[in-house]
Amino acid sequence: SFDLSQPPSVSVSPGQTAIISCSEDKLGEKFVSWYQLRPGQSPVLVIFQDFKRPSGISERFSGSNSGNTATLTISETQALDAADYYCQAWDSINVVFGGGTKLTVL
Amino acid sequence: HLQLQESGPGLVKPSETLSLTCTVSGDSITRGNYYWGWVRQPPGKGLEWIGSFYVSGRTDYKASLKSRLSISVDTAMNQFSLRLTSVTASDTAIYYCARLWSSWFDYWGQGTLVTVSS
Repeated sequence: SFDLSQPPSVSVSPGQTAIISCSEDKLGEKFVSWYQLRPGQSPVLVIFQDFKRPSGISERFSGSNSGNTATLTISETQALDAADYYCQAWDSINVVFGGGTKLTVL
Repeated sequence: HLQLQESGPGLVKPSETLSLTCTVSGDSITRGNYYWGWVRQPPGKGLEWIGSFYVSGRTDYKASLKSRLSISVDTAMNQFSLRLTSVTASDTAIYYCARLWSSWFDYWGQGTLVTVSS
């Protein structure tokens, strides 16, 4: 199996850009997805296959994955974006989630 | 529109067996090349994949849970189930069922809290 490392927390001011990283050796060789999780709600897929957005997800969410690091970028961050964000990858057997990053919008 | 709904006891005693069912509506679990799986979130902690299955019969389990875990499917009822034996307090969590399409989970149930306590 493998591990995915995320920073425990990221803080950003409203209107600024939030960047959340997810790291693992050769992560760029796997597809990475990202989920938004708010208290009391189910996880919401915001990015799949590294950079694709599901229908209904704001264009402010974007993703990339290269080398050892995948990145979720939230532009023009709003108060409603405050949540926990998890990266996830699959090696065709094991599904692995990162430890999660708490995004605070100050 | 695909919907998943978890059901089962909210309280399980230590050393006993945790059993949950996920009922899928809006489509057949046998249609398409999908995996179906379980994910949990212990209180104050992150998401943890438990296991997945493909309707062809293949199942994949998290290595640390493999000896206690089984996932089964009832295609007639359009349901799949989780069975975790010899539970301890560390198995207390919100349990989600979800559909795994290619490499991502695209549909999730609302989640059900299972507490392990005497």
